[in-house]
Amino acid sequence: GAVVSQHPSRVICKSGTSVKIECRSLDFQATTMFWYRQFPKQSLMLMATSNEGSKATYEQGVEKDKFLINHASLTLSTLTVTSAHPEDSSFYICSARDPGLFNEQFFGPGTRLTVL
Amino acid sequence: AQSVSQHNHHVILSEAASLELGCNYSYGGTVNLFWYVQYPGQHLQLLLKYFSGDPLVKGIKGFEAEFIKSKFSFNLRKPSVQWSDTAEYFCAVNSRNSGNTPLVFGKGTRLSVIA
Repeated sequence: GAVVSQHPSRVICKSGTSVKIECRSLDFQATTMFWYRQFPKQSLMLMATSNEGSKATYEQGVEKDKFLINHASLTLSTLTVTSAHPEDSSFYICSARDPGLFNEQFFGPGTRLTVL
Repeated sequence: AQSVSQHNHHVILSEAASLELGCNYSYGGTVNLFWYVQYPGQHLQLLLKYFSGDPLVKGIKGFEAEFIKSKFSFNLRKPSVQWSDTAEYFCAVNSRNSGNTPLVFGKGTRLSVIA
């Protein structure tokens, strides 16, 4: 199956700093990528849909100025958590849609963010 | 809007017991259905998926799921669980042939298998 990578896998930062997370589709081109957040012992909640070459579509309640998404190429989307606070600590997971077969989404391994 | 309901929040089974985890979805169109597993401290792994064809789908690690269209259900089953099956299980659905519909996840079912 298609492979999606995320970098970094784990990051610890101080409150007030910004953190960038990269999501790459390694063997296919993804016009659409998705960013999810998972709090401990909870399900994945969709944050935004990232479309190559256009602005991301954010879910209700997700601050677009805090979670900046850039989908600059067909294989790369980035999520930047700006001015991070401890409540932003979470597991961030991206997925990329392979347009080849039934719009299947492939998930990255996730990035664990801890804000001190 | 699509939604996914997983009936059991936490299931506790003894080893070798049979497993069935419920999943119902709410969507009127044609859907793709998935079951994912997340072992403690690890990332999501795809167990199985249904797109079309035989409604009984076999996945990895001895898991299977049956799509019953009339019941909007996609229950996960395993005839004999092992301690290593202890994990969180997520059912997910998205719309087929609909440009940008992302996967919608259920709240998950935590499975604890005891010796």
